[in-house]
Order: sequence, then C-alpha cells, then structure tokens
Amino acid sequence: QLQLQESGPGLVKPSETLSLTCTVSGGSINSSSHYWGWIRQPPGKGLEWIGSIFYSGSTYYNPSLKSRVTISVDTSKNQFSLKLISVTATDTAVYYCARRVGWDLRRFDSWGQGTLVTVSS
Amino acid sequence: EIVLTQSPGTLSLSPGERATLSCRASQSVTRSYLAWYQQKPGQAPRLLIYGASSRATGVPDRFSGSGSGTDFTLTISRLEPEDFAVYFCQQYGDSLYTFGQGTKLEIK
Repeated sequence: QLQLQESGPGLVKPSETLSLTCTVSGGSINSSSHYWGWIRQPPGKGLEWIGSIFYSGSTYYNPSLKSRVTISVDTSKNQFSLKLISVTATDTAVYYCARRVGWDLRRFDSWGQGTLVTVSS
Repeated sequence: EIVLTQSPGTLSLSPGERATLSCRASQSVTRSYLAWYQQKPGQAPRLLIYGASSRATGVPDRFSGSGSGTDFTLTISRLEPEDFAVYFCQQYGDSLYTFGQGTKLEIK
C-alpha cells in the first residue's frame, strides 16, 4: 500500500526558507503514470495547491507562489522536496504531499498525514 | 483562475437524511477534472469522487457525484455517523488546481 510521509522543521523564522521532504513507500516515484504534489492548508482554512513534479523533474507551480517555490525529486531515495523562500506568517499551514494519478481523470488519490509548519520568530 | 464556490458553508442534518452539497465554478470546468474530497479533523483529505461522478476505490455507494459545466453536486444518499466532516471540491484547469472553500457537514 502506498504511503507518503512529510518531514522537516515545524518552525521557521520569517524571511527564511521552508524546506520539506516527502518520502514515498510502497510504490515507486519513478512512474510515468503519476505526478507528485504539495498542497497546504492554513489552520481552519481551505486547501491550496502549491505545485507538482514528475519523476523526470518536470514541474508546474501555482502562479501565486511560483516566484518563491522550488519542487525537486530524488528518485534514488524515492523522495520529493519543497522549498519555499522568504516565508511570512501567512505561510503557516499544514503541508501535505500527495500523489496525482490519471491524465484524463486527474485527482490526488494518496496523501501524507500532513505536517504543521509555523512561521514565527 | 477558476474559482470554486461551495454551498452551503455549513449543512446541519441528522443520520439517515440525504445531503446535497453544491460546487459552483466561475467558468466552465472540464468534467473529467472535477473531484470531491472528505476531510475529518486532524486528518488528510480523502478522495471520494473524481471525473465528477466516479467513486474512488473503497468509497461507499451512498456517495455520488453529478454535474457539468459550472455546477456540480455531491450527494450522500443516507448519512452515516462517520460522514460528518468537511467536503471540498477541486478542479484542474490552465495548469492550476483550485479547491472550493469547503462545506462542513455537521450533526443536527
């Protein structure tokens, strides 16, 4: 059974860089059928897609975050990562990694449990 | 960017009743790119419906999705205690995924 697990610091100072890693187990990230994505949810609010990556390294990002986001993949470790620079308090959220399946019927079918990242000095 | 507006914001019903949740898009959505998720407190979202009307693996058949264009609906035919949660719709268009703000389904 596919499992995704987020890891990284739970506290980041304003203006610094948020870095998270998602480790995939029970399946290979090296799949031509899937993209891998990051989605966040501020406390008590809705969901916001951050961006997605293919195993080849091809990426696409939410235009609202594009200038600050980098998503990368390490197929040898079956991991993909998120970097968000110049964070502010508005970046405080639970960050989820997820698998996107389907080309004609796109959906996020497997999610990590999420990790809360707080931006505060 | 396509904006998804869900209504109502909160729906209060009793177990056994029928729930109808709406998701309206600011412009037409490709039907195959419309999905619904369920989220319980402290948990990640769970995929329920994709392609507007296809149930995900393991989802009970009391959940159904319908709609096209700008209007989509999630229906729960007969509410079970475990169905009380927050529901989000999501679409993909112009290389961007967007989510609705959610409908909270609470026990009356």
